[in-house]
Amino acid sequence: EAGVVQSPRYKIIEKKQPVAFWCNPISGHNTLYWYRQNLGQGPELLIRYENEEAVDDSQLPKDRFSAERLKGVDSTLKIQPAELGDSAVYLCASSRYIGTGSGYTFGSGTRLTVV
Amino acid sequence: GENVEQHPSTLSVQEGDSAVIKCTYSDSASNYFPWYKQELGKRPQLIIDIRSNVGEKKDQRIAVTLNKTAKHFSLHITETQPEDSAVYFCAASWGANAGKSTFGDGTTLTVKP
Repeated sequence: EAGVVQSPRYKIIEKKQPVAFWCNPISGHNTLYWYRQNLGQGPELLIRYENEEAVDDSQLPKDRFSAERLKGVDSTLKIQPAELGDSAVYLCASSRYIGTGSGYTFGSGTRLTVV
Repeated sequence: GENVEQHPSTLSVQEGDSAVIKCTYSDSASNYFPWYKQELGKRPQLIIDIRSNVGEKKDQRIAVTLNKTAKHFSLHITETQPEDSAVYFCAASWGANAGKSTFGDGTTLTVKP
């Protein structure tokens, strides 16, 4: 099966500019996650979707970050305006809702550099 | 919320030796504990996982143990090889699927040939 697809792989922007990341999860995976990974740290959850519903966005900085998952498939994460501290790798992951669980499948991530 | 601590932050072993990485978690409701391997510049990949109703799970050279009472779980890699060198992350989750995972800060494992 095709993996989780993210684009772009790299993005360099000036501070205060907007930026958007796109994710296409594995077909049939109901749950989609956006994580942020700072250098030398583990991924931190930003938002979790069950189908098209955001069920956990408590750690999403809502003043500048927004996300959507139209039709419960693809998802977009946006930052506007970007700040220097937003430089990180943004990882999308998906998982299937089954009783036994199967962990996440991560995408390759988008490495954002804000200058 | 959940808090996951991972030790050590760096680990260097000789090829053929064993490596052990330990994690503790705080939320007794967590019931799913995956381990991910992340090579430099690549995505984290699931290598093994364990559910709270199981005390140990093994897959070839990799094993995971879970102590629910003490709220800690460990990754064991035997007969290490240079290609095992990577950053390893533990996570604690709850829910029917992977749910919301809280990750440790990672362990950089270096296997010296």
